[in-house]
Amino acid sequence: GENVEQHPSTLSVQEGDSAVIKCTYSDSASNYFPWYKQELGKRPQLIIDIRSNVGEKKDQRIAVTLNKTAKHFSLHITETQPEDSAVYFCAASFSSNTGKLIFGQGTTLQVKP
Amino acid sequence: DAGVTQSPTHLIKTRGQQVTLRCSPKSGHDTVSWYQQALGQGPQFIFQYYEEEERQRGNFPDRFSGHQFPNYSSELNVNALLLGDSALYLCASSLGGASNQPQHFGDGTRLSIL
Repeated sequence: GENVEQHPSTLSVQEGDSAVIKCTYSDSASNYFPWYKQELGKRPQLIIDIRSNVGEKKDQRIAVTLNKTAKHFSLHITETQPEDSAVYFCAASFSSNTGKLIFGQGTTLQVKP
Repeated sequence: DAGVTQSPTHLIKTRGQQVTLRCSPKSGHDTVSWYQQALGQGPQFIFQYYEEEERQRGNFPDRFSGHQFPNYSSELNVNALLLGDSALYLCASSLGGASNQPQHFGDGTRLSIL
């Protein structure tokens, strides 16, 4: 079935350390993998995305890697800051011709000053 | 550049009532997807509208219906409300209805069922 597994559910790091969140997906036809950051009471904010024809993408302190063979992708945040504290969701597209996204369960990231 | 806007921000209803939620997509976008987000969980796909038609539906009953207007704005209707329908309803807009286009979310409508 359509499924995205996300780990860990909670992650606590010291300011300046790196954080890694991992997701696996079930449909090998998935071709788009966005990551969203959601602060308490706010909208999910798109922070980075990757398409299936790319293995890695970086935007300043944030990077995403994709392994199509293993059907998993990861979010890497370097030099974490307290303002990075939020819930992070991975998602995967599950249709070849529509924008249906299936989301992971979320990771609560806490960055300690 | 106007982002995705949703109304109302909060709504309180009782069981059995019906509700209509509204969404205006980001300027330049023509596709609207609706998601339900229960507390502590990720958004769940309800359906997507493109060219005024429902293109795909998630695992939601027929009590959930929608509409897209010629100006690309959209409505989500829920009939015969149940306690379990209490959630944050999010609208996301994108361009072209394709599977690999970024979706941008609105602030959502918080629906509480008493």
